[in-house]
Amino acid sequence: DAEITQSPRHKITETGRQVTLACHQTWNHNNMFWYRQDLGHGLRLIHYSYGVQDTNKGEVSDGYSVSRSNTEDLPLTLESAASSQTSVYFCASSEGTLYEQYFGPGTRLTVT
Amino acid sequence: AQSVTQLDSQVPVFEEAPVELRCNYSSSVSVYLFWYVQYPNQGLQLLLKYLSGSTLVKGINGFEAEFNKSQTSFHLRKPSVHISDTAEYFCAVSLTGANNLFFGTGTRLTVIP
Repeated sequence: DAEITQSPRHKITETGRQVTLACHQTWNHNNMFWYRQDLGHGLRLIHYSYGVQDTNKGEVSDGYSVSRSNTEDLPLTLESAASSQTSVYFCASSEGTLYEQYFGPGTRLTVT
Repeated sequence: AQSVTQLDSQVPVFEEAPVELRCNYSSSVSVYLFWYVQYPNQGLQLLLKYLSGSTLVKGINGFEAEFNKSQTSFHLRKPSVHISDTAEYFCAVSLTGANNLFFGTGTRLTVIP
C-alpha cells in the first residue's frame, strides 16, 4: 500500500543546531507540503513543492528550507533551530487541488 | 486573502446526541472546502470535501456538511455521535485552481459516555 512516512517521530535538539526532518511518500504525488501545528494556530504551511526542483514558501517559512531532488522526498531543514520552532511538523502529499492531501504521522520537535 | 474561522475550540457532547461544528471562511473568489479529522497522535484524514454541485456533502463515518455561499459557511454535522468520534476537527479552504490549503484553528470534539 502507498504511504507517507516521516522520520524521526520525536526529536530533541539544542538552540542553534541544524535539524533535518525527513518525509517520504510512495503515492508518486507531484505535490508535497510541510505544515507545523501549534495550539491555537491549527496547521500553518511552511513550504511546498509542485514537482522535482520546484519549491515555494508558505505562510511561515522563515528559518526553514526544503529541497526536492526526486518525487518521493521533501526534507525540511531548520538552519539554526530556535525555541519558537518547537512544534509538531506534518508532511503531506496530493495529486492536485481536487484531490485530498495525505498526511504523515508527524514529527514532534523540541528545541531546548 | 482567504481565511478560515472555527468559532468553537472545544465542543463536548453526550454519546448518541447530534453535533454541529461550525466553520466560516472569507474569500473574494471561488473556493474548495474540506473537513479533516485528527485522532490522537495521528496525522489528518479527510472527512469530506466540497468542490462543486450539491451543497450537501456526505463524508465518512456518518458526517455531512452543507456549503452555504451566502453565509460563507461550511458547518459539519453528525446526527448521532459515538465515543470513537472524539478527535480534533479541522476546516480548510483552498482557492479553485490552487493546491494549498488554509486551515482553521481546529475544534476538539469530546464525546461523553
